Amino acid sequence: GAGVSQSPSNKVTEKGKDVELRCDPISGHTALYWYRQSLGQGLEFLIYFQGNSAPDKSGLPSDRFSAERTGGSVSTLTIQRTQQEDSAVYLCASSLGGGAREKLFFGSGTQLSVL
Amino acid sequence: GENVEQHPSTLSVQEGDSAVIKCTYSDSASNYFPWYKQELGKRPQLIIDIRSNVGEKKDQRIAVTLNKTAKHFSLHITETQPEDSAVYFCAATNFGNEKLTFGTGTRLTIIP
Repeated sequence: GAGVSQSPSNKVTEKGKDVELRCDPISGHTALYWYRQSLGQGLEFLIYFQGNSAPDKSGLPSDRFSAERTGGSVSTLTIQRTQQEDSAVYLCASSLGGGAREKLFFGSGTQLSVL
Repeated sequence: GENVEQHPSTLSVQEGDSAVIKCTYSDSASNYFPWYKQELGKRPQLIIDIRSNVGEKKDQRIAVTLNKTAKHFSLHITETQPEDSAVYFCAATNFGNEKLTFGTGTRLTIIP
């Protein structure tokens, strides 16, 4: 079956513009995560969705970042007024159940470049 | 919150030799420790994990050891092969937490 799908795979934008990144998790997976991978850095947690529960937004670096998940499936990560330090690979992952002890299935990421 | 440190950041070993990557964690409540492998240009994939009720787990050429007292865990790869070249990430969490805290990664290069 299909894995986690992310789009676009690459996004180049100008400083100050807004961007939207999309994640389509594996069908039936109730948990969805967004992570950010900067050059030479680890995987930085951004936000977590589990079913109909309120998302865990504790990793969002500023109020310019927001995310939503519609119908318990597709998720969109929005970055407003992008800055150069937002340049990174944004990875989405899903898991069958809740909890970080479940195996995460990652998408191939969106490479964001802010000029 | 949890903090995970990973060493070394880069590692080169001759094909056939062993490789060891070490991680330390700060939260004594952490009880689940997975390792993810990310090949160049590909997505991270889980390769092995360990829970705090065991000290060691093996899967063919890879093994993970856990020392709860010292709060560190390690990945061991024996008889390394070119396809082992990748970035490896350790992570930690506890069952009451919903997010993994990852280390900064180790770029492993296998020299033919």
